[in-house]
Order: sequence, then structure tokens, then C-alpha cells
Amino acid sequence: AQSVTQLDSQVPVFEEAPVELRCNYSSSVSVYLFWYVQYPNQGLQLLLKYLSGSTLVKGINGFEAEFNKSQTSFHLRKPSVHISDTAEYFCAVRHNQFYFGTGTSLTVIP
Amino acid sequence: DAGVTQSPTHLIKTRGQHVTLRCSPISGHKSVSWYQQVLGQGPQFIFQYYEKEERGRGNFPDRFSARQFPNYSSELNVNALLLGDSALYLCASSLGGGQGAYEQYFGPGTRLTVT
Repeated sequence: AQSVTQLDSQVPVFEEAPVELRCNYSSSVSVYLFWYVQYPNQGLQLLLKYLSGSTLVKGINGFEAEFNKSQTSFHLRKPSVHISDTAEYFCAVRHNQFYFGTGTSLTVIP
Repeated sequence: DAGVTQSPTHLIKTRGQHVTLRCSPISGHKSVSWYQQVLGQGPQFIFQYYEKEERGRGNFPDRFSARQFPNYSSELNVNALLLGDSALYLCASSLGGGQGAYEQYFGPGTRLTVT
């Protein structure tokens, strides 16, 4: 079974500052990687995905992530956050099935 | 186009009771997956169905069962409810059900509270 580790459970950041949400996974085989966002009382929305090819993946809302195979990481970044980015963020790995991390709560401070 | 829909949005049950949750996938999607999300945790995979057949099962007891209908909608059933079954149950649909990297689209979830 796969495991996904999100290293920070809570990340506070000031508005317009950059942010990085960290994700590591355990796998020695090829996997597909995803980041999802969950707003309060809602389902999950796909931010971006890595399937193959370029290791830098761009998603919606200005987010991007970099796949690092040697470090088995898939960190999410945004150069300038907005208040509306306040939400729960989940990293996920697909290998036969989807495995999700425990989530990182991003709070953007005005 | 309508997204993934789930019903009901909320429900409260008593220990030992049975519950049925329903999900309608995006039009054209043939695969439905179910997840349990306990407060403060990430979603945990329960089942995947594709073309009305079970394609995957997570580490959940036999009290949990599901099925998919000819119109690709799905039901998740939980028997003999326990307090620990209280969670947000998410349904996700996708085009395919194989090992490909098909994107999953999530519904808003059903919040189940067991008292």
C-alpha cells in the first residue's frame, strides 16, 4: 500500500506572500500524483496533476507543483496567495487506487 | 453540465441502524468510487465500481457494501452503524475504471452522524 505524508498540518501565511505545501509519498514504482483543494462543507476540487513528462506542473488558481522522483516529493507552491486560498489541501497518489494525505490547512492572513 | 450529486446532504442515525447513501455521476462517466473522510483526516478509499462491477475495495469491514446501477448511479450501504462511522462520505466519478490516470470528480458529500 502507498502512503502519503503531508508534513505540515497547518500553514498560516500573510496575503500576497508565497507559500509551499509539502508532500512526500512512499513508492518505488510509477505513480500518478494529484493535489486537491477542499473548501468548508464542500467536496474536493482538483488543483493539478502529474502523470508524466515535465516535472513542473501548473494548475488552476495560480498553483504549481514540482515532481521530484529522487526525493519522492510533490510540493505545491503559489507565489502570491489570496484570502480566497484559505482551505484544506490534500495531496494524493494513484497506484491501483487513490491514497490521500491527512491534509494541510492553509490560512491566509489579511 | 451537472457535476456529481449526492443525497442526502446530511443525516443522523442511531447505533445499530442501517444507512443508504446515493450518488449520481457526471453524465458519461462509468466509474464511481466511494470514500470516507473522518474529521481532520484525508479521504479513505472504500469501493470503486466500473460498469456495474466492483473494481476495488479498501480496508473496510463487511458492514460496508455498494452497488452500481445500469445508469451508473451508485449506492453505499452501511449496516450495524457504529459511532466511528460518523464521517463525510464522498462519491467521485471518472470516465474509466482501469489503471489509467483518470481524473476523479468529487461530489459535495453526505455528512453522516451516528449517535
